[in-house]
Amino acid sequence: DQQVKQNSPSLSVQEGRISILNCDYTNSMFDYFLWYKKYPAEGPTFLISISSIKDKNEDGRFTVFLNKSAKHLSLHIVPSQPGDSAVYFCAALIRGKLIFGQGTELSVKP
Amino acid sequence: GAVVSQHPSRVICKSGTSVKIECRSLDFQATTMFWYRQFPKQSLMLMATSNEGSKATYEQGVEKDKFLINHASLTLSTLTVTSAHPEDSSFYICSAREYIGYGSGYTFGSGTRLTVV
Repeated sequence: DQQVKQNSPSLSVQEGRISILNCDYTNSMFDYFLWYKKYPAEGPTFLISISSIKDKNEDGRFTVFLNKSAKHLSLHIVPSQPGDSAVYFCAALIRGKLIFGQGTELSVKP
Repeated sequence: GAVVSQHPSRVICKSGTSVKIECRSLDFQATTMFWYRQFPKQSLMLMATSNEGSKATYEQGVEKDKFLINHASLTLSTLTVTSAHPEDSSFYICSAREYIGYGSGYTFGSGTRLTVV
């Protein structure tokens, strides 16, 4: 039972354009959401997070939007850079544990 | 920033042997550590949560006798894969939690690629 879903396994974007990565969840008890960036054979690194009481959080080029009624969140990267190419995971927090989605591989073309 | 060191990064072992993976928080004390497993192109699946000085809590479907977790100190947790079989081959990642606010402080190690032959 996949409680956190990233339905797009891959995304290709031109450098300078916006990257939008999507994430859906099923458990309304999730109260905090995080985005991680991961390279092959490495652990995830934290990018940005959002509390369930907010609908937007921004940090530089990264913005996360949360739509609680739709149980949907998205990560916007503007402008996208080739160095952003990696796998992005969304994660939901419940009772101190992180539950991860399947990941979306972002490729930013120069 | 917080650093979590995980060793070894890569290990090959023979079927039937045991392998130990270490996870250390280098510059902070972690009362809670987590162990994940990742199959290719898939999610990070939480295997267990370990709290310093107490028994680990395993997720449903994870064999506690196969995956032994010890969290003997505030900076070290170990995962031992006992009697390893080829189906245990996977990428194992640990995470240590430094409580600096709700929802924050989760730092991941660099992972261990286990291959059982």
